[in-house]
Amino acid sequence: GQQLNQSPQSMFIQEGEDVSMNCTSSSIFNTWLWYKQDPGEGPVLLIALYKAGELTSNGRLTAQFGITRKDSFLNISASIPSDVGIYFCAGQNDMRFGAGTRLTVKP
Amino acid sequence: EAQVTQNPRYLITVTGKKLTVTCSQNMNHEYMSWYRQDPGLGLRQIYYSMNVEVTDKGDVPEGYKVSRKEKRNFPLILESPSPNQTSLYFCASGNQGLMNTEAFFGQGTRLTVV
Repeated sequence: GQQLNQSPQSMFIQEGEDVSMNCTSSSIFNTWLWYKQDPGEGPVLLIALYKAGELTSNGRLTAQFGITRKDSFLNISASIPSDVGIYFCAGQNDMRFGAGTRLTVKP
Repeated sequence: EAQVTQNPRYLITVTGKKLTVTCSQNMNHEYMSWYRQDPGLGLRQIYYSMNVEVTDKGDVPEGYKVSRKEKRNFPLILESPSPNQTSLYFCASGNQGLMNTEAFFGQGTRLTVV
């Protein structure tokens, strides 16, 4: 099956800093999905990308669908304490996820 | 309210005692999937089902069984649980359309096998 490599594995940042994480695949995707898991909860969809080169924003979150269709990036601007959690990327169709990026935000 | 419901939320059991974790969704989704989440390993897919009576192995199926007799239910069965199956389990459902594959997750089941 397809391999999803997500990095970094964890990040420790100060409140107000920007965050960037990415996901790469061994296969070409037609869809990229980014999820966030709050502590003690199941993951919830943040952003969906459907077109190579697409840049989509959702508040302070921005995600991009790579031109090669094998990667995607998620950026969080001006981080706040409630951004804490694990962020997962997922490819289309078989609902497999990357290993996640654990984000810690220090007030 | 559209949701995926797992039961129980917490379970402590002993090695070898068969158990079932239930999962039910009310969104008429065709696709359902089970994951286990372990520190540093993310969400690993155990089994998935693309429709009623259709199930397939994910990446870590050993020691687990599933069934999909009805569209809304997708129980996870551990016939003889072992301590290495101690984990946090999530069920998810979604539509298997070409463009819309958002997964909706349950609240999770924390299983401890002693």
